[in-house]
Amino acid sequence: QQQVKQSPQSLIVQKGGISIINCAYENTAFDYFPWYQQFPGKGPALLIAIRPDVSEKKEGRFTISFNKSAKQFSLHIMDSQPGDSATYFCAALKGNNDMRFGAGTRLTVKP
Amino acid sequence: EAGVAQSPRYKIIEKRQSVAFWCNPISGHATLYWYQQILGQGPKLLIQFQNNGVVDDSQLPKDRFSAERLKGVDSTLKIQPAKLEDSAVYLCASSPRGGMNTEAFFGQGTRLTVV
Repeated sequence: QQQVKQSPQSLIVQKGGISIINCAYENTAFDYFPWYQQFPGKGPALLIAIRPDVSEKKEGRFTISFNKSAKQFSLHIMDSQPGDSATYFCAALKGNNDMRFGAGTRLTVKP
Repeated sequence: EAGVAQSPRYKIIEKRQSVAFWCNPISGHATLYWYQQILGQGPKLLIQFQNNGVVDDSQLPKDRFSAERLKGVDSTLKIQPAKLEDSAVYLCASSPRGGMNTEAFFGQGTRLTVV
């Protein structure tokens, strides 16, 4: 049962462009929404996270937009760089356990 | 601060054989997770420990998978017997407390290939 749906599956962006990855969730009990970045051969690393009482969170070039009524959230990467090329996973957590991941988006930033 | 350590990094076994993975979480982290990541998919939670007790193992195929966390520190995940569909990366993660809105730190994973 896929509780977190992520799109697109892959994304190619030119250097300096904006990368946008979208996620939708079903369970309104989720109360924490992190984004993870994973490079080949490495484990996922937390990039940025948001709670549902906030509509937007920005950290450097990375911004999460959160729409509670639509049960959707997205990651925006401004001024995308080749070093941002990685697989990005959205996730949703409820309570103190059971973090569900999206299927992932493979981002390629072309120089 | 040392990260989550996992071993081995790679393992190739034949189907019906058994295999074990080891995880050493970040010192002081009470919560430990095992995830299965099949190629092209997001990680799927197999089991979560809080100290040495199991919090959630609802998605662990208990007929062939087992895990333990003795003394609330290191953990081992075992598969016996392995099937072809068990080929995946097995990720261990830990977090400081019960996982309530806290970051989980992941190890590099063990890539298992079942042939």
